[in-house]
Amino acid sequence: DVKVTQSSRYLVKRTGEKVFLECVQDMDHENMFWYRQDPGLGLRLIYFSYDVKMKEKGDIPEGYSVSREKKERFSLILESASTNQTSMYLCASSAPRGYQPQHFGDGTRLSIL
Amino acid sequence: AQTVTQSQPEMSVQEAETVTLSCTYDTSENNYYLFWYKQPPSRQMILVIRQEAYKQQNATENRFSVNFQKAAKSFSLKISDSQLGDTAMYFCAFASQGGSEKLVFGKGMKLTVNP
Repeated sequence: DVKVTQSSRYLVKRTGEKVFLECVQDMDHENMFWYRQDPGLGLRLIYFSYDVKMKEKGDIPEGYSVSREKKERFSLILESASTNQTSMYLCASSAPRGYQPQHFGDGTRLSIL
Repeated sequence: AQTVTQSQPEMSVQEAETVTLSCTYDTSENNYYLFWYKQPPSRQMILVIRQEAYKQQNATENRFSVNFQKAAKSFSLKISDSQLGDTAMYFCAFASQGGSEKLVFGKGMKLTVNP
């Protein structure tokens, strides 16, 4: 089975801090994704990566950056955390081709105080 | 840009009954993929079923089946013999055939199965 592991299930940080969310997958997938999930808004794509060191902006990239130095790891960075970034963050990975399903991690519930 | 609409934010059903979740989408493409994902409370999002637009036959996975109406751009999910474990958020999603493998998600629908 595909395993997508997010480093923290719950995280509390302060406004202005630099926050790192880590995601690791064990299936050698080329594609990795970061989503934000908010009630009533569904999942919104923040960034995705289709190869090492490659990244593309999603629908809501403002205030976030990403890093993919190794194929299995995709990090989401909040450069200067703000209270409106309090949310559930989901990481996913998939093999190439659009019909391949995405496999999700358990999510990180991030609170910015 | 593609959009996915789930018009019912919440539904409830009795155990063993059948329920249908609706989803419509908007695209100018002819070939694409559609998915239903399930997110149980405090648990991981998982794939329920997928449909390739070029296939006319509706996909089926055990108690889950879809009604894919390409001309109407409709992709509903039918759950037969509902079980308590079907209680979850359900998300409809769209993926283009070509280009990047991004998914466009609907806003989700909360399904509660009552005993």
